[in-house]
Amino acid sequence: DSGVTQTPKHLITATGQRVTLRCSPRSGDLSVYWYQQSLDQGLQFLIQYYNGEERAKGNILERFSAQQFPDLHSELNLSSLELGDSALYFCASSVEPWGSGDTQYFGPGTRLTVL
Amino acid sequence: GDSVTQMEGPVTLSEEAFLTINCTYTATGYPSLFWYVQYPGEGLQLLLKATKADDKGSNKGFEATYRKETTSFHLEKGSVQVSDSAVYFCALRSGSEKLVFGKGMKLTVNP
Repeated sequence: DSGVTQTPKHLITATGQRVTLRCSPRSGDLSVYWYQQSLDQGLQFLIQYYNGEERAKGNILERFSAQQFPDLHSELNLSSLELGDSALYFCASSVEPWGSGDTQYFGPGTRLTVL
Repeated sequence: GDSVTQMEGPVTLSEEAFLTINCTYTATGYPSLFWYVQYPGEGLQLLLKATKADDKGSNKGFEATYRKETTSFHLEKGSVQVSDSAVYFCALRSGSEKLVFGKGMKLTVNP
């Protein structure tokens, strides 16, 4: 158990809908990262927050957005969903973002299926 | 940009066989290198890491040495077990905060 929690575990929805994925980082970790794992793209970094502020953006679509709240939990919002958005979405956390050796701890993921 | 290239498999081995999973990288600066493992139905777990050249990471019988001259971080285990069946990802982190992953290699170990 990494200490990172994600809800829900599974999500099934229809095209055009909007969903929210939730992540609680490990106790004491200030930085949260979101990754998408799909069969064709592999593991791709989406976005990172540190202590409530957006810090880095990766291959995140404009239909997607995220935020980190004062209690440090984070939410990833996916809207106007398409079939291709079906994937496993991971949240990871770390103590601080600037040490390249700092370990990121991953949650169990949310499996999104868009029908 | 930064990238990681690793063996993709899938690979099937018999219990007690020797395992090597090759990983090479391209990065600016001096990256930290990681191996993550994903067991069936679970999230990613850090297996081992190395933060500078010639460092050796080790955990659960797995080892990898950071080779700057060959830009490699190959994963090895002398005797695999059925419980090692999983997907293995090589990753790097350089300068920016994100992890860059290889495509992953699925390993199946048969008794």
